[in-house]
Amino acid sequence: AQKVTQAQTEISVVEKEDVTLDCVYETRDTTYYLFWYKQPPSGELVFLIRRNSFDEQNEISGRYSWNFQKSTSSFNFTITASQVVDSAVYFCALSEDYGGSQGNLIFGKGTKLSVKP
Amino acid sequence: DSGVTQTPKHLITATGQRVTLRCSPRSGDLSVYWYQQSLDQGLQFLIQYYNGEERAKGNILERFSAQQFPDLHSELNLSSLELGDSALYFCASSVSPATNEKLFFGSGTQLSVL
Repeated sequence: AQKVTQAQTEISVVEKEDVTLDCVYETRDTTYYLFWYKQPPSGELVFLIRRNSFDEQNEISGRYSWNFQKSTSSFNFTITASQVVDSAVYFCALSEDYGGSQGNLIFGKGTKLSVKP
Repeated sequence: DSGVTQTPKHLITATGQRVTLRCSPRSGDLSVYWYQQSLDQGLQFLIQYYNGEERAKGNILERFSAQQFPDLHSELNLSSLELGDSALYFCASSVSPATNEKLFFGSGTQLSVL
């Protein structure tokens, strides 16, 4: 069965610290997509990144970076020099293929990140 | 602002009642998804529509139903409500139903069943 595990329920850091959010997934599909979404206190889920199963290149976007490793089925997310505005719940998700249709986006339980000034 | 509009933002009702949640997708998006977020179950996929047709079904209860109208807005109907149905209900949209599409989420409807 397909599954996404975010073992860290809550993380608290002080501003300017680096923090890594872990994500481990399970799937039998050879083609799949992984996502990270952010849910700030306002509640709306915001897309951060999408990665397909054939592209293991790490990606950096400003202070955010993602490390995708198929060998360990992990898609970890690092925030460098964290800021208070990064405080949110972060969800890792796996796209399940319903015959080519993204019906079921399987989410992990989320990691609540608190960045203190 | 994602461009996805959900109404109402909050809904308080009693057990046994029926409610309708409404969603307007982003301009140009043909695919609409409904998700339920609760403390114990997390974020769960309920149902997906594409251009008016049901495309995929997840863990949606028989008491729940949805539809997408010709103007592409969607409604999620919840009936015979139980305490356990209290949750945050999200609507999301995407251009197509393809597996790699990123979803744009609305701000959700917080349903409280008393």
